[in-house]
Amino acid sequence: SQELEQSPQSLIVQEGKNLTINCTSSKTLYGLYWYKQKYGEGLIFLMMLQKGGEEKSHEKITAKLDEKKQQSSLHITASQPSHAGIYLCGATGAGSYQLTFGKGTKLSVIP
Amino acid sequence: NAGVTQTPKFQVLKTGQSMTLQCAQDMNHEYMSWYRQDPGMGLRLIHYSVGAGITDQGEVPNGYNVSRSTTEDFPLRLLSAAPSQTSVYFCASSYGGPSSGNTIYFGEGSWLTVV
Repeated sequence: SQELEQSPQSLIVQEGKNLTINCTSSKTLYGLYWYKQKYGEGLIFLMMLQKGGEEKSHEKITAKLDEKKQQSSLHITASQPSHAGIYLCGATGAGSYQLTFGKGTKLSVIP
Repeated sequence: NAGVTQTPKFQVLKTGQSMTLQCAQDMNHEYMSWYRQDPGMGLRLIHYSVGAGITDQGEVPNGYNVSRSTTEDFPLRLLSAAPSQTSVYFCASSYGGPSSGNTIYFGEGSWLTVV
């Protein structure tokens, strides 16, 4: 079965700083989802990557998929308190109906 | 457009009791799924469905039962609740499933405590 490891497990950054969260898979990545979760709430969809080398951006968040490294990274530029939460990556295989999640990265942004 | 709606939001059960977590979506999605989220374990797939009348097991199906009689609804049944089923449960839906590349929408979660 596919396993996903997220790093770091937690991160505290000062407002305005850039940061990167990584998601490494034990198997070849076919599809990779990024979600944000705030405590007590559901998962908010951020981005989905399917092709090696693909890069997507939304506002100040950029995600990349490195197929060879079996890894995806999520980069936040000029972090704000609104970026605080738990970031989750989820991966799927070709033709699969199952999504496997990492354990999450807890991000705190200090004003 | 309500998206994915889960009820109840909070529930306390006694060991051995049964209950049903409801999940409904109004986006005409074929694919629906249930996850549980536990501290240190991340989200784990319980059951999923690719359409009305079709269900399959995920990673942790024991102790749970599902059915899909309509496209809109995908209830999760706990047959005889155990303390190990204390968790936060999330329902999700999408067109085509995870490998289709479509957005997977999640509900807001149901907090279940079994005492």
